[in-house]
Amino acid sequence: KAGVTQTPRYLIKTRGQQVTLSCSPISGHRSVSWYQQTPGQGLQFLFEYFSETQRNKGNFPGRFSGRQFSNSRSEMNVSTLELGDSALYLCASSPQQGNYEQYFGPGTRLTVT
Amino acid sequence: GESVGLHLPTLSVQEGDNSIINCAYSNSASDYFIWYKQESGKGPQFIIDIRSNMDKRQGQRVTVLLNKTVKHLSLQIAATQPGDSAVYFCAENSGGSNYKLTFGKGTLLTVNP
Repeated sequence: KAGVTQTPRYLIKTRGQQVTLSCSPISGHRSVSWYQQTPGQGLQFLFEYFSETQRNKGNFPGRFSGRQFSNSRSEMNVSTLELGDSALYLCASSPQQGNYEQYFGPGTRLTVT
Repeated sequence: GESVGLHLPTLSVQEGDNSIINCAYSNSASDYFIWYKQESGKGPQFIIDIRSNMDKRQGQRVTVLLNKTVKHLSLQIAATQPGDSAVYFCAENSGGSNYKLTFGKGTLLTVNP
């Protein structure tokens, strides 16, 4: 069974631009969570989607948004990029909402210049 | 506020020795804890979990101990191997049914041959 895939793996953007990251969960998994990882703050929860609905949200500004499609694939969007948004963005999937055993993808490395 | 912290940011051990990685958590209401391993260039990988109604759980070469009295979590790795070299994170679910993981900053484990 294929693991969680994320595209693109690397991305360079300029301040003020927007970016969309994509995540394909493990086949059959219906929950997708997004995390931001930085050296200073570590791993921080962004949001969780289950059955195309956002079920939970972390403490991030409204510039960070996401959605989930009927096939459970998910995208997250960051608008008006800031230098501090440079990070590794990780997606994790699990079979059900609240199923704590999450499987992480390799991440998308976003650099904002 | 909710936080999960690690006592030691780095740990260096000899191959074959046992490793112990520690984690302190602040939210006494947390009901579930997970240890993840993250190798360079990869997403976190689930190692072992434990619920708050347990104080010990064993896996293959790994044991997690939970001390709710002092809000302390530890991961023990037996017969540490070079392939165990990675960053280890503890995470807690402090959201109850409103599932949301809070991660610690991580401990870098280096295994010397």
